Amino acid sequence: NAGVTQTPKFRILKIGQSMTLQCTQDMNHNYMYWYRQDPGMGLKLIYYSVGAGITDKGEVPNGYNVSRSTTEDFPLRLELAAPSQTSVYFCASSYPGDRTEAFFGQGTRLTVV
Amino acid sequence: DQQVKQNSPSLSVQEGRISILNCDYTNSMFDYFLWYKKYPAEGPTFLISISSIKDKNEDGRFTVFLNKSAKHLSLHIVPSQPGDSAVYFCAVPTSGTYKYIFGTGTRLKVLA
Repeated sequence: NAGVTQTPKFRILKIGQSMTLQCTQDMNHNYMYWYRQDPGMGLKLIYYSVGAGITDKGEVPNGYNVSRSTTEDFPLRLELAAPSQTSVYFCASSYPGDRTEAFFGQGTRLTVV
Repeated sequence: DQQVKQNSPSLSVQEGRISILNCDYTNSMFDYFLWYKKYPAEGPTFLISISSIKDKNEDGRFTVFLNKSAKHLSLHIVPSQPGDSAVYFCAVPTSGTYKYIFGTGTRLKVLA
């Protein structure tokens, strides 16, 4: 049981490039999330999904897009990368309903230069 | 909107002593709160939670206290161990109970 798997672990992008951060989970969780963590800051919610085909914006969605075609996968797309997107990105998943904790991946450290 | 503050960015404690980490929130509309622990180069992992029908929840060396009138959470670790050295985040629900706002974290260092 791998849990939540993110790829890549590290990436350096040039300004204006695009990339997709991959996230997959094998726990059959309906809910999935993307967070970013900047130095000295908490985790900020970028996008979330409550099931395949359903996504919605979180606190900081600008510059990102997501899709959810399957229960397992929740990729995050960065279009036209900017230095402000330099951060550590975490994908997470949880069971539906309230009072459930989220399971996090190990993170992707992204640097935009 | 929900705001969450962890006013102590770092804390150093001697091994065997108590560690107390604090968290304040603004919107008391929701009733379930969580603490996560994060080691370097890893994702956060769930540590302990509390429902607002309680004012205390205990799990081994970890106890979370909830003061609803003050909108304040605290996490107590007794006794503290070097392996507890990590960043601790509190998470408080926002609109929709599956969406959580995270505090900025407190970096705990337990000295051997």
